Amino acid sequence: DAEITQSPRHKITETGRQVTLACHQTWNHNNMFWYRQDLGHGLRLIHYSYGVQDTNKGEVSDGYSVSRSNTEDLPLTLESAASSQTSVYFCASSVASEVDTQYFGPGTRLTVL
Amino acid sequence: AQSVAQPEDQVNVAEGNPLTVKCTYSVSGNPYLFWYVQYPNRGLQFLLKYITGDNLVKGSYGFEAEFNKSQTSFHLKKPSALVSDSALYFCAVRDIGTGRRALTFGSGTRLQVQP
Repeated sequence: DAEITQSPRHKITETGRQVTLACHQTWNHNNMFWYRQDLGHGLRLIHYSYGVQDTNKGEVSDGYSVSRSNTEDLPLTLESAASSQTSVYFCASSVASEVDTQYFGPGTRLTVL
Repeated sequence: AQSVAQPEDQVNVAEGNPLTVKCTYSVSGNPYLFWYVQYPNRGLQFLLKYITGDNLVKGSYGFEAEFNKSQTSFHLKKPSALVSDSALYFCAVRDIGTGRRALTFGSGTRLQVQP
């Protein structure tokens, strides 16, 4: 079955380190998204991509970057991890248009010490 | 700009009773509206969406939602709650015609169904 996976599921790192979270989907969806979930804030958009070589900033993009070299993957990189980036990160994908439903991965819990 | 408000952090209901989880939205144009559910240590699961047409939308697990344009609301409902419905529920909106495909989420409402 087609699916969307995230790895690792749990990560502990230290302040200042570079961290990359992986997201892989096998639906051949054009759109991919990264959100972070924090108590009291719901999910907030970090970065998104509408296709290969396309990337865009979301509302909380500072300190994060993404790249889209193929349809299946959208890795999220924390350039220099900060304690404020301790959160649960969700990747999502959708087919193409604005009416399409987004489907979410299982999440990555990141702790920055 | 688009935004969503879920005014209740938690809703408590007894098993077998009807439940309502409230959501109001703000968009500059017309909305696409979504409800997702999150069980502990899991990702978000799609429940239902409103795109156009009938204001009452039926979704998974017996849930439904009513779109009310005049009140800018999209409340989630279920006629008879189950203990297994206990979870975190998120309302989300997308503004039609902006080309934006990402969703804006509310802060979530925790539903607790007591046996």
